[in-house]
Amino acid sequence: GQNIDQPTEMTATEGAIVQINCTYQTSGFNGLFWYQQHAGEAPTFLSYNVLDGLEEKGRFSSFLSRSKGYSYLLLKELQMKDSASYLCAVRDTGGFKTIFGAGTRLFVKA
Amino acid sequence: DADVTQTPRNRITKTGKRIMLECSQTKGHDRMYWYRQDPGLGLRLIYYSFDVKDINKGEISDGYSVSRQAQAKFSLSLESAIPNQTALYFCATGLAGEETQYFGPGTRLLVL
Repeated sequence: GQNIDQPTEMTATEGAIVQINCTYQTSGFNGLFWYQQHAGEAPTFLSYNVLDGLEEKGRFSSFLSRSKGYSYLLLKELQMKDSASYLCAVRDTGGFKTIFGAGTRLFVKA
Repeated sequence: DADVTQTPRNRITKTGKRIMLECSQTKGHDRMYWYRQDPGLGLRLIYYSFDVKDINKGEISDGYSVSRQAQAKFSLSLESAIPNQTALYFCATGLAGEETQYFGPGTRLLVL
């Protein structure tokens, strides 16, 4: 079966670092995505990992371990505008479909 | 101008009515998708299309149909709407060989 797990909610403080974890069990794997979604808005692409390791892009980094079925999104120097839902998604082997997790709602407090 | 547009943005309808949600894109992408989003369930794929003559069912296609009228247009129809189809619907586009999908602004549908 297909399953993607991530925490439902997290709270962090402005200026701090937060790590959002994602574990997955899918029938195939051809890449893992992180999307950001502000309330009532469309998801927007943050990162893509297909090989093991860390990908860094400004304040955001994403890590993948394919053998463990595990990824995390690391947000540094948190800002209030980072309050949003973060969606973990896995693309299947053929690249035809992407399965999304339910998302982690992040609250950044002053 | 937005690259991926959806109409209408909000719609209230009654059980049993037929409705159509439309999606247009100016990105020149060949792949288009329809998802629905429900609280606590994330995005679920309804239908996807890789070109004008290609239509494929996703996870939850029952009760829905689609039409790819042109490369730039992909419509989703609810033949006979029911209350559990109340959700936020997103259209997305993508390009073969690229990693990401680009989402439209969403259509909020309420079925009474």
